[in-house]
Amino acid sequence: NAGVTQTPKFQVLKTGQSMTLQCAQDMNHEYMSWYRQDPGMGLRLIHYSVGAGITDQGEVPNGYNVSRSTTEDFPLRLLSAAPSQTSVYFCASSYPLGQGGAEAFFGQGTRLTVV
Amino acid sequence: RKEVEQDPGPFNVPEGATVAFNCTYSNSASQSFFWYRQDCRKEPKLLMSVYSSGNEDGRFTAQLNRASQYISLLIRDSKLSDSATYLCVVNRGGGGKLIFGQGTELSVKP
Repeated sequence: NAGVTQTPKFQVLKTGQSMTLQCAQDMNHEYMSWYRQDPGMGLRLIHYSVGAGITDQGEVPNGYNVSRSTTEDFPLRLLSAAPSQTSVYFCASSYPLGQGGAEAFFGQGTRLTVV
Repeated sequence: RKEVEQDPGPFNVPEGATVAFNCTYSNSASQSFFWYRQDCRKEPKLLMSVYSSGNEDGRFTAQLNRASQYISLLIRDSKLSDSATYLCVVNRGGGGKLIFGQGTELSVKP
């Protein structure tokens, strides 16, 4: 069972470079989201999607773009990398779990360093 | 103020101890509540959902008080393998939009 697959696992970028973090899920989940985790900050929501063609901003969307052309894929694009974007990035997918809730399944994370 | 706040850590306890984690949330529209576990910066994994009636899974008991906007997790008979960071998580409503607390680190010592 693949679940949620993120690539790459590690990446070093120079300031100003752009790149795309890939996320794919094979569970046919409607909902997908991207989080970043920094020391002492917990996970913060960057962008999320409730289905193909629908995306919305989370807590910290600046500097990131997303699109959702298929149910399976939800790539995260860094437009012009900055050192402040050095972080661990997690992609998650989920299905509704009654009462509006949604259990999330996470990818293994991408550790990004911007120099 | 963060929307979901947890006890500051770390908690250092001996094996066999009982430990309790607390969490408060500020948005009264929150609909679903969870505890996730995260090991050594690996991906978070669902530990248990939290219901108003309270729920128990082996040595773990979760409670929710909607009036006080308070969530708790009790771990009895701690094991070395319980060492991890425990994340309090709130869903404001559908859409998989989860809001995380900053996490509380637990270290269980022999």
